[in-house]
Order: sequence, then C-alpha cells, then structure tokens
Amino acid sequence: DAGVTQSPTHLIKTRGQQVTLRCSPKSGHDTVSWYQQALGQGPQFIFQYYEEEERQRGNFPDRFSGHQFPNYSSELNVNALLLGDSALYLCASSLALGLAGGHLEADTQYFGPGTRLTVL
Amino acid sequence: DAKTTQPPSMDCAEGRAANLPCNHSTISGNEYVYWYRQIHSQGPQYIIHGLKNNETNEMASLIITEDRKSSTLILPHATLRDTAVYYCIVRVAASSGSRLTFGEGTQLTVNP
Repeated sequence: DAGVTQSPTHLIKTRGQQVTLRCSPKSGHDTVSWYQQALGQGPQFIFQYYEEEERQRGNFPDRFSGHQFPNYSSELNVNALLLGDSALYLCASSLALGLAGGHLEADTQYFGPGTRLTVL
Repeated sequence: DAKTTQPPSMDCAEGRAANLPCNHSTISGNEYVYWYRQIHSQGPQYIIHGLKNNETNEMASLIITEDRKSSTLILPHATLRDTAVYYCIVRVAASSGSRLTFGEGTQLTVNP
C-alpha cells in the first residue's frame, strides 16, 4: 500500500522564478493538504483541497496556488519566488468524512517525505 | 484550536521509557489530542491520537488526564531511532476541517 509520495525530492530555483511541486495521496485518500516548513520551525498550513476545490487556506499570499486532479493528486505552485520561500514543502493526505456547516471534516493526516526547495 | 505547551527538549536512555508531556489547559470537549513526530528532514509521522480515554497502539501509549488539560506520550522502550521532534497538537474535530497547527515540539534525544 503506497504512502504519500512527493516529487521532486529537491529543487533549486532563483528569485522570481516559478515552481510546481507534486503530490500523490495515500491509496484510498481523497483530501490533500500542503504545509511549508522553514528551517527550525514547525510546519505551517498553506491550503487544503477536496473534490478539486480549495477548502481552507492559511496565511499565505496569492503567489501560492494549488490544484487537485480527478485522481486526487495535487500540485502546489509558487510564483515570483522569494528567498524566504526556501523551505521543506510537505503534502499530507487524509480521507474526507464529510462537510459539516461548510467546513470539511477529515480523518487523520499522513505526510509525505517533502520537497526541499532552495531559492537562490 | 487550543494552544499546547511542550518542553523544548528531553533526553532518554536507550531501552528506557520516554515520557513526553504536553499541556493543553484550554482544550474544549470536542478537541482531540494528536501526536506526530519528525525525524530530521523527513515528513512528520503520525503516532497516535485520543479524545478522553487512554489509547495504545504498536508505537506508543497516550495518557490523557481526567480533566483533559494535559497528556503524556509514552514510548515504552526507546531506541536510537526514536530520536526526533515530537509534536503535540490539539485539533477541533469539526469547525477547522483537518488543518493541523504545529507548535515547536519537543526534541527527544535517545542516548546509547
């Protein structure tokens, strides 16, 4: 049973460029969340996708965007890269339990190994 | 989501039990306590979660006090591979969806 996979493992970009990171959820999961982890800090929530829609968003600028495909895989796009975007980007998948009052409820999240992005 | 407080670091001898405390004094009745760990530069690994009863799985035990204001993660026989940052997270079951709010965690170092 494959776990959460992410690609690429490492990536080096320069300021101003754009980057796309990819995530395949754990088998049977339909919800994908993205997190950013700067060096020495805990992961910070970026956004969450379910049924190909962004359901929740953390405190990140519009330069961060995403997409979810019909097979539940997801992409994270970052435009106009800044030095401060250098971080470990983590994808987590879970199984949606339903929508309650407009909010998505989902089961335990399982994380992938992450993509290390370095912006020079 | 309720805020959690964890010691920044702890040491444990290999083979001994590691007891990692977490304070969540403002926890609400519908909030779960989750534990994840992160070995250096890897993705966080889910360990265990609970609401009010003590829980045990193949990795660890979770002891939640009766008033639910604190909990302890127990690794019964710590090994060198258990050296990691351990995160205690309180998660509202409903209104915040599935987002996780990580603090700074506890760096557990298991010594030979």
